[in-house]
Amino acid sequence: ETGVTQSPTHLIKTRGQQVTLRCSSQSGHNTVSWYQQALGQGPQFIFQYYREEENGRGNFPPRFSGLQFPNYSSELNVNALELDDSALYLCASSLVRELDYNEQFFGPGTRLTVL
Amino acid sequence: AQSVTQLGSHVSVSEGALVLLRCNYSSSVPPYLFWYVQYPNQGLQLLLKYTSAATLVKGINGFEAEFKKSETSFHLTKPSAHMSDAAEYFCAVSEWGGGNKLTFGTGTQLKVEL
Repeated sequence: ETGVTQSPTHLIKTRGQQVTLRCSSQSGHNTVSWYQQALGQGPQFIFQYYREEENGRGNFPPRFSGLQFPNYSSELNVNALELDDSALYLCASSLVRELDYNEQFFGPGTRLTVL
Repeated sequence: AQSVTQLGSHVSVSEGALVLLRCNYSSSVPPYLFWYVQYPNQGLQLLLKYTSAATLVKGINGFEAEFKKSETSFHLTKPSAHMSDAAEYFCAVSEWGGGNKLTFGTGTQLKVEL
């Protein structure tokens, strides 16, 4: 069983640029969540996708957007990068079933540095 | 709204000593509670979870945690620390099934000394 993978592992961008981060969910999972972890902080929820639709969003501006594809892989797009966007971006997948507990499995993350 | 408070951003113990990492939560509905561990330059690994079954939860690597509703706490313990336990630990709360969003604490860095 393949776990959650993310690419790239590291990325350096400059202010104002746009970036796309990618996530491949664990086999059989239908839900993906994205988190931002700034240095020295806990992860913060950005948004979640369930069956290709956004299913909940944290306190992040619209320049943070996402996609989930039919194969349940996912992208996180960030436009107009700011210095404060420098962080570790974590993807987590889960299999959501009604009335059931569904554990999230995390990928290793993408370290984004904005200069 | 839900929130998590982890007391102590850094905890240092001797090898073989008791590990106690504190977590208090706030939730308007019965919570699901989690402890995750993060090693340097890695993602998060689930140590254990509370999902309204037994209040004393046993996890991997000898860790356990006790859900105390009256104290709104979910402290993480391990009887005997090992050097390999040195890492950052995050407590998290979810209000529905774990598939919904996780709200994390700010983390506790555990240092294990010889």
